Amino acid sequence: EPEVTQTPSHQVTQMGQEVILRCVPISNHLYFYWYRQILGQKVEFLVSFYNNEISEKSEIFDDQFSVERPDGSNFTLKIRSTKLEDSAMYFCASSRGQGIPNQPQHFGDGTRLSIL
Amino acid sequence: DAKTTQPNSMESNEEEPVHLPCNHSTISGTDYIHWYRQLPSQGPEYVIHGLTSNVNNRMASLAIAEDRKSSTLILHRATLRDAAVYYCILSPGIQGAQKLVFGQGTRLTINP
Repeated sequence: EPEVTQTPSHQVTQMGQEVILRCVPISNHLYFYWYRQILGQKVEFLVSFYNNEISEKSEIFDDQFSVERPDGSNFTLKIRSTKLEDSAMYFCASSRGQGIPNQPQHFGDGTRLSIL
Repeated sequence: DAKTTQPNSMESNEEEPVHLPCNHSTISGTDYIHWYRQLPSQGPEYVIHGLTSNVNNRMASLAIAEDRKSSTLILHRATLRDAAVYYCILSPGIQGAQKLVFGQGTRLTINP
């Protein structure tokens, strides 16, 4: 069964440094998402992406965050200048779309981001 | 965002059925009811979704109340692998990218 894959599984970065989290969504999916989960807290929506544009973003997704689909397979989340409070699990998800509402989202196993 | 209410935790025994309740009294007519689960150290995993009628798939069944203000996820024969946090989420029935709004969910413990 096709899967969403995320790399790296764990990223350790110094505060203030840039970090890029990478995701390979399922190949025939059209909608892409990033969520995060701070340890012990709820899964929170960050951003959705379709047709090379952001569809919706949360208030967490400020100017320090950006997303990109640089080629036909990868979907990346960049944090420009990391803060301690960015430490969390980051999950990428994708869904099929194709005119049918409420397609299930398929999640990767996440990247654990630790900011020192 | 429409709100759901779930018990914080439930416990069941292996090989027995499990009924996980969810209240969503403010559901709108076009909201779909989704269930996801999150196993330890993994990302959320889609379980099932429905609009009005009861739904079955290989993982579970979803029973939706006639007034749609509540629903129940049914695991017919729980295994140890079903121990997870289960989330009941409402999502508007419109096309396009739809964010999922996760609550705290129900932590399900399965006893051997």
